[in-house]
Amino acid sequence: DGGITQSPKYLFRKEGQNVTLSCEQNLNHDAMYWYRQDPGQGLRLIYYSQIVNDFQKGDIAEGYSVSREKKESFPLTVTSAQKNPTAFYLCASSIGPGDANEQYFGPGTRLTVT
Amino acid sequence: KNEVEQSPQNLTAQEGEFITINCSYSVGISALHWLQQHPGGGIVSLFMLSSGKKKHGRLIATINIQEKHSSLHITASHPRDSAVYICASLTGNQFYFGTGTSLTVIP
Repeated sequence: DGGITQSPKYLFRKEGQNVTLSCEQNLNHDAMYWYRQDPGQGLRLIYYSQIVNDFQKGDIAEGYSVSREKKESFPLTVTSAQKNPTAFYLCASSIGPGDANEQYFGPGTRLTVT
Repeated sequence: KNEVEQSPQNLTAQEGEFITINCSYSVGISALHWLQQHPGGGIVSLFMLSSGKKKHGRLIATINIQEKHSSLHITASHPRDSAVYICASLTGNQFYFGTGTSLTVIP
């Protein structure tokens, strides 16, 4: 079955530590996205990638980093510079960038930093 | 940036009722995406539309580009429809998301 996987589902870290969230897709999609969801707010774009070895900052990229070395994988690192890292993180992919292509979402990772 | 607003924020309905969720956006878009988020957090795509109307089972989505407005209708609502419904506008290469409408359908 094709889909998007994110791991782990729940992640706990101490303040000051970097943490990497995994996102893998086997849909052969070119575009991949990372969103952050906070209570009472809409999803906000952190980073997106339209093709391997290329990515662009979204609206709230500060304190985050990504890589896109393989088409299937788009890991997100939450660095210690991110002031409020506790949130629900969602990865998505689409056939191509924008262009009316619907996005498919992973199950999400809930990160808690104390 | 596209401001996306949804109404109502919360909605409770009796099983069998016809439900409408509204979405408005501030600037022109190339498409609008309706999504469903279940309590566990997973998000499922319902519709992507750029004009007119789409139907899938008991769900119907419409869009009026001139009025910058879209609606999601659920006919013969069922408790399993209870979820958060999110609309997202596509502007350029980026989606802008509403805050969602939390729907509870009571048996």
